[in-house]
Amino acid sequence: QKEVEQNSGPLSVPEGAIASLNCTYSDRGSQSFFWYRQYSGKSPELIMFIYSNGDKEDGRFTAQLNKASQYVSLLIRDSQPSDSATYLCAVKGTSGSRLTFGEGTQLTVNP
Amino acid sequence: GAVVSQHPSRVICKSGTSVKIECRSLDFQATTMFWYRQFPKQSLMLMATSNEGSKATYEQGVEKDKFLINHASLTLSTLTVTSAHPEDSSFYICSARDRRGTGGKETQYFGPGTRLLVL
Repeated sequence: QKEVEQNSGPLSVPEGAIASLNCTYSDRGSQSFFWYRQYSGKSPELIMFIYSNGDKEDGRFTAQLNKASQYVSLLIRDSQPSDSATYLCAVKGTSGSRLTFGEGTQLTVNP
Repeated sequence: GAVVSQHPSRVICKSGTSVKIECRSLDFQATTMFWYRQFPKQSLMLMATSNEGSKATYEQGVEKDKFLINHASLTLSTLTVTSAHPEDSSFYICSARDRRGTGGKETQYFGPGTRLLVL
């Protein structure tokens, strides 16, 4: 079992729709969870971080964390073509300071 | 937000030469920096963790004598690819951990990456 799993996609949604990206992790003691966006040929850019169970909203983005289910998700409301990118889920586990990344979900928002 | 710079952004070199890549945290102190490599269409691969003032910790399969890491200050880490070969051609990305966060809440910020092409 991979430490952090994401559906590789591609996920395709129409402009204006809600895009839902999912991530599961194996280390039950994980404390911090991050979503990064990576455009093709560019480095990852931090979008959201979440530490506590529940929802955290920032503009069109909502991160949801359920530690009991070891599940974290990212919702993008009113999706725009500029949201088309690969979204990386990252988890900080119980050992050390490194982040463990999922392989990313490729999102395409169609005009 | 926190800013991390990398230099150079792109480098082309001949096989057998060494290339140094710099990673700087511009507006925060980073006790820990990370070096990643990413091949086309693949995910990030952590190469090593660099701690200020101490030796880097390398991931399994990463040759420490080939990828030399120096973290001389709280704002600068360097990666030197020694005797580069075409198979080392990749996108090298550093990230820096903002030490102001504690208790597992530290956030990593990525540099813009360095694209290395070895001929």
